[in-house]
Parts: sequence; C-alpha cells; structure tokens
Amino acid sequence: GAVVSQHPSWVICKSGTSVKIECRSLDFQATTMFWYRQFPKQSLMLMATSNEGSKATYEQGVEKDKFLINHASLTLSTLTVTSAHPEDSSFYICSALDNYEQYFGPGTRLTVT
Amino acid sequence: RKEVEQDPGPFNVPEGATVAFNCTYSNSASQSFFWYRQDCRKEPKLLMSVYSSGNEDGRFTAQLNRASQYISLLIRDSKLSDSATYLCVVIGSGNTGKLIFGQGTTLQVKP
Repeated sequence: GAVVSQHPSWVICKSGTSVKIECRSLDFQATTMFWYRQFPKQSLMLMATSNEGSKATYEQGVEKDKFLINHASLTLSTLTVTSAHPEDSSFYICSALDNYEQYFGPGTRLTVT
Repeated sequence: RKEVEQDPGPFNVPEGATVAFNCTYSNSASQSFFWYRQDCRKEPKLLMSVYSSGNEDGRFTAQLNRASQYISLLIRDSKLSDSATYLCVVIGSGNTGKLIFGQGTTLQVKP
C-alpha cells in the first residue's frame, strides 16, 4: 500500500513558540491530505482538509490563523501550530488520499510545556 | 449527538473468545463504512471495509444495517495480538473523502 510519512514523530516545545509538522506521500501524489488531532482516550478529530494549490478547508471550531496549513506540492503538506499553548499538546496525524483510499502517517506527538 | 457512536469499553476477554463491537451513525446519507484498528500511540490502520451484504476476512466479520444505521464487527477466536482500539469510521454524503471517526472501542485479550 501507499506510504505516508510525518516529521517529526515527536516534539517538545515551549509555550508561545511555533511548530511545523510535515506530511509526505512517499510513493504517490496526493492532491488532498487531511489533518487530524487526537487527545488521549478520544477519537481522531478532523481539523482541516488540505488541497494542493489552494487554501485549506477548516472544520468548525478550528482556528485557521493558529493552525496554518500549506500544501505546496503534490507530495507535501505542512501544519504549523503557531503560538503553541499547553492545551495544543496532542497527537497530530495526517492522511493522504490515493484513489479514494486514505493512508495515514505515523503521527506526531506534540507536547507544549 | 455524535455522528458516530461506539461503546468505548474496555472489553476484557480471554484468548479464544468471540467478541462483538457495535457502532451507530447519525447521517442516513453516509456512503461508506470501515473498521480501523489503532494500537496505542500509533496511527489507525484499515482493518476492513463494511458492505451491506456483510463481509468476512478470516476471523473478522463486519455487518452493516442501513435501515438501523448500525455497523458491527465480530472477532472470533480472539488472539492476544487483537488487543487494540477498534474505530468505526464513516464517510459522509458527497465525495469529499472526509472520514468521521467514532470514539473507538478498546479490546484487551488476556491469556
């Protein structure tokens, strides 16, 4: 199956700083990628749909100015958490769409201190 | 009401047991249905798609009841390696590809 990578796999940052997470489709091109967030013992919640060459579509309640998404190429989408706060600590997972099937990245665990 | 609802469990069963998970969804226009498996601190992995006619993959059987908006997963002859969280996932109407995840049901298979 298709492979999706994420980088970094985990990151610790200080409150107020920004963190960039990369999502790459390694062996296919993805015009659409998705960003999810998962808090402990909770389900994955879709944050936004990332479309190559256009603006991301954010789900209700997700601040687009805080979670900046850039999908500049068919194999890379980035999520930047700006001015991170401890409540942003979570597991961030991306997925890429290939022929109507979604392939998930391994996730990035963000801890904001 | 959540779009996809599951009993979070945990379900603690002995090896060899048969266990069933249920899931309900609220949007009658939902198009596609899946069961994913998620191990602790890992990404979810597709276990199987769910079809109206029901489908089986080895020890796993999935059923869909569109009239009741109900999906089930049956695991026979449970193995220790089946211990994980099982996520019921629905794709809504339209062709956006957006997956809607249930909370997940945790299964712990004990020796």
